[in-house]
Amino acid sequence: QVTLKESGPALVNPRQTLTLTCTFSGFSFNTSGIRVSWIRQPPGKALEWLARIDWDDDKFFSMSLKTRLSISKDTSKNQVVLSMTDMDPVDSATYYCVRAGYFHSIYYDYWGQGIRVTVSS
Amino acid sequence: SSDLTQDPAVSVALGQTVKIACRGDTLRNNFATWYQQKPGQAPVLVVYGENNRPSGIPDRFSVSRLGDTASLTIAGARAEDEADYYCHSRHNIENHWLFAGGTKLTVL
Repeated sequence: QVTLKESGPALVNPRQTLTLTCTFSGFSFNTSGIRVSWIRQPPGKALEWLARIDWDDDKFFSMSLKTRLSISKDTSKNQVVLSMTDMDPVDSATYYCVRAGYFHSIYYDYWGQGIRVTVSS
Repeated sequence: SSDLTQDPAVSVALGQTVKIACRGDTLRNNFATWYQQKPGQAPVLVVYGENNRPSGIPDRFSVSRLGDTASLTIAGARAEDEADYYCHSRHNIENHWLFAGGTKLTVL
């Protein structure tokens, strides 16, 4: 059974760095083709793809946020960590960790429950 | 444009067929994937690739492509299909992906 769960702070001060951890089970980065992405959704707004890390440690970032994002994995712990610097109130959103597959296109077949992050002083 | 666009809202009568469109130049060369999101819930993958559905997604959901437009068709709409639908695809820039703004489907 595949599960993903996000953890991290619910409240972040402006200009601080947000660090979120995704802990998953049911698959492993030791398997070729495994990919994990982060996607966010501000309240009442659309989904936004943020970043992805692959089994071979390839990393990809949103063009508009790449200067603020970093992503890493701990294969032994089944975890992916996303960091976003210089947080602003507009970054308030629900952040989802998702497993990504590929068949003619990237698809997100398993989603975490999401973690609501508010940026406010 | 490398963006993806969807109509903000679409409605369908119960039992009828509805098509939700997603437009963008990147769709000329890339497949779209489709997600359903109900209020307060995480999105759910509905269709990916040429016309692949995850386990548990009924065959009432199908996709098509023509030019710069990908469409999700829901045949025989049910009340439970009322949700936001998002398309997603690869950007024209390698290894970058994006979502469209979503379509709110109302089943009348």
